[in-house]
Amino acid sequence: GENVEQHPSTLSVQEGDSAVIKCTYSDSASNYFPWYKQELGKRPQLIIDIRSNVGEKKDQRIAVTLNKTAKHFSLHITETQPEDSAVYFCAASNDWGGSQGNLIFGKGTKLSVKP
Amino acid sequence: DVKVTQSSRYLVKRTGEKVFLECVQDMDHENMFWYRQDPGLGLRLIYFSYDVKMKEKGDIPEGYSVSREKKERFSLILESASTNQTSMYLCASSLQGQGLNEQFFGPGTRLTVL
Repeated sequence: GENVEQHPSTLSVQEGDSAVIKCTYSDSASNYFPWYKQELGKRPQLIIDIRSNVGEKKDQRIAVTLNKTAKHFSLHITETQPEDSAVYFCAASNDWGGSQGNLIFGKGTKLSVKP
Repeated sequence: DVKVTQSSRYLVKRTGEKVFLECVQDMDHENMFWYRQDPGLGLRLIYFSYDVKMKEKGDIPEGYSVSREKKERFSLILESASTNQTSMYLCASSLQGQGLNEQFFGPGTRLTVL
């Protein structure tokens, strides 16, 4: 089955710097890669996702890149702000052929943005 | 707006008790999931359901069972709670079909087993 590895487990940056979180996956059939953000005491929420037919996707200060050959994808946050401090989870899924949409999550990265 | 609710935010139970955690979603989602979240271990799937009365084991089903009698409700049952089941439990739901995998999470139930 699918296995998702996420690095680093903790990341501390200065406000205004960029942050990069990387994930690798094992199943070449995976075609959907979402990122969830979980603020302290709150539920995880989807912030951005990418499908295997796209190499990069951007939404304001966040972007995700996908390298299908190497089976890794990354989250990039530019101009970090204190409100970006949270735990970020990557995930992988295969939604072809009517699967039930299971997501395999990485173990999470705790991002701290220091003012 | 999708709403996923869980019956309790905090729960304290004793070893050996039977524990019910309930999850309700109001968006007619076919899929529902139960995860446990522990520091450093991320989100681990316990059970999921893709239809009423259907259930599938996730990665860590031991010690748990589930029930889905109605489409909007998915219950997690700890038949005999143990201290190693102290954790945060998150429920989620999603639609079925290609391109519809976004999972919407409930607020979580922090369970402490004494």
